Amino acid sequence: DTEVTQTPKHLVMGMTNKKSLKCEQHMGHRAMYWYKQKAKKPPELMFVYSYEKLSINESVPSRFSPECPNSSLLNLHLHALQPEDSALYLCASSQTKQVAETYEQYFGPGTRLTVT
Amino acid sequence: QKEVEQDPGPLSVPEGAIVSLNCTYSNSAFQYFMWYRQYSRKGPELLMYTYSSGNKEDGRFTAQVDKSSKYISLFIRDSQPSDSATYLCAMRMNRDDKIIFGKGTRLHILP
Repeated sequence: DTEVTQTPKHLVMGMTNKKSLKCEQHMGHRAMYWYKQKAKKPPELMFVYSYEKLSINESVPSRFSPECPNSSLLNLHLHALQPEDSALYLCASSQTKQVAETYEQYFGPGTRLTVT
Repeated sequence: QKEVEQDPGPLSVPEGAIVSLNCTYSNSAFQYFMWYRQYSRKGPELLMYTYSSGNKEDGRFTAQVDKSSKYISLFIRDSQPSDSATYLCAMRMNRDDKIIFGKGTRLHILP
């Protein structure tokens, strides 16, 4: 099973709202990622969690707040977003270099976020 | 010069043709090379994963890596309309978690 699930599939929120995106995987992967993808552009890395600890933050604005409550779950909390934050938000997971020779990233289907 | 260069297309080919998709890169430290397929409004799906130079075949797909030329290719044989998607090349350095993506090539297979 190489499935990463994400909820919700679509989200429309106002600039004053607080919402959360959720991601789940049951492949035993210990690295999880958040990416942002604008139309006709490649995914851009936002955050990396390794063993439930934040290991990479690609200078993402503080209105995006990641959380990794356990090894299977990854959340992205959203607050006071701007219309330019509208995009497809992708979660991915992989094994880590400590336990595997190869560590391909598997992506979820994404949450399409629209900020009004 | 960008780290990874990929022609965005679109590339239109008739059904049944062999498709060749390519990327060039500038960083000789890249060791792991991937191809992802992404359908419209969906997440990227890992197609092929190769380490260092050489060929890898999986069904109708063949990935080639030429590290001396810093050039990678994905070949699709007997192309089908269902292969119509955006194909993203991606690569990473050894012992580094960050993937560097190409811009993606939009492929249309004409029935």
